[in-house]
Amino acid sequence: EDQVTQSPEALRLQEGESSSLNCSYTVSGLRGLFWYRQDPGKGPEFLFTLYSAGEEKEKERLKATLTKKESFLHITAPKPEDSATYLCAVQAARTMDTGRRALTFGSGTRLQVQP
Amino acid sequence: DAGVIQSPRHEVTEMGQEVTLRCKPISGHDYLFWYRQTMMRGLELLIYFNNNVPIDDSGMPEDRFSAKMPNASFSTLKIQPSEPRDSAVYFCASSRLKQRGEQYFGPGTRLTVT
Repeated sequence: EDQVTQSPEALRLQEGESSSLNCSYTVSGLRGLFWYRQDPGKGPEFLFTLYSAGEEKEKERLKATLTKKESFLHITAPKPEDSATYLCAVQAARTMDTGRRALTFGSGTRLQVQP
Repeated sequence: DAGVIQSPRHEVTEMGQEVTLRCKPISGHDYLFWYRQTMMRGLELLIYFNNNVPIDDSGMPEDRFSAKMPNASFSTLKIQPSEPRDSAVYFCASSRLKQRGEQYFGPGTRLTVT
């Protein structure tokens, strides 16, 4: 069974204080790892897709990296508007049994950036 | 594009009543997903469709839950009869064929069953 564990559960930063969020995963053949951002009262918003170990993606103050066991979301000099819950999800390669290729989400890291 | 549209945004109902949630995916998207989000269990996939056909409904918790997609621009999730433990936020999402993991979520329906 695919598993995704995110840490920490919650993180409070001062504006400008860089940090990283962790996503550890167990999956039978990784097809893709995805990062989403969710603001209170809204649906998740897609951020990045990573396909193979060593890959990196960047968007403004965010950079996502991937290894064979985990992914990191690095936040450089965060601003209050970066406050949100960040979700990680994995997609397994198609299996012979089910062919299921849906996403499995982690429980998220709730980030608060104070001015 | 208007994005994924869900209705209603909020639903309060009594135990035993039928509840119907509605979703309009983004035009041109091949996949439609129904998720449920709670504090305890996080975001869970209930069912997903490809070209209006249900592909995997193994996440549907019980026979009380059913979902349909009669055409490419409309889907429903029905709960009959509803129970207090069904209280959650229900999200609909859609994606393109070759970018299945890049899903676009609607604003959700907050369901409260009393």
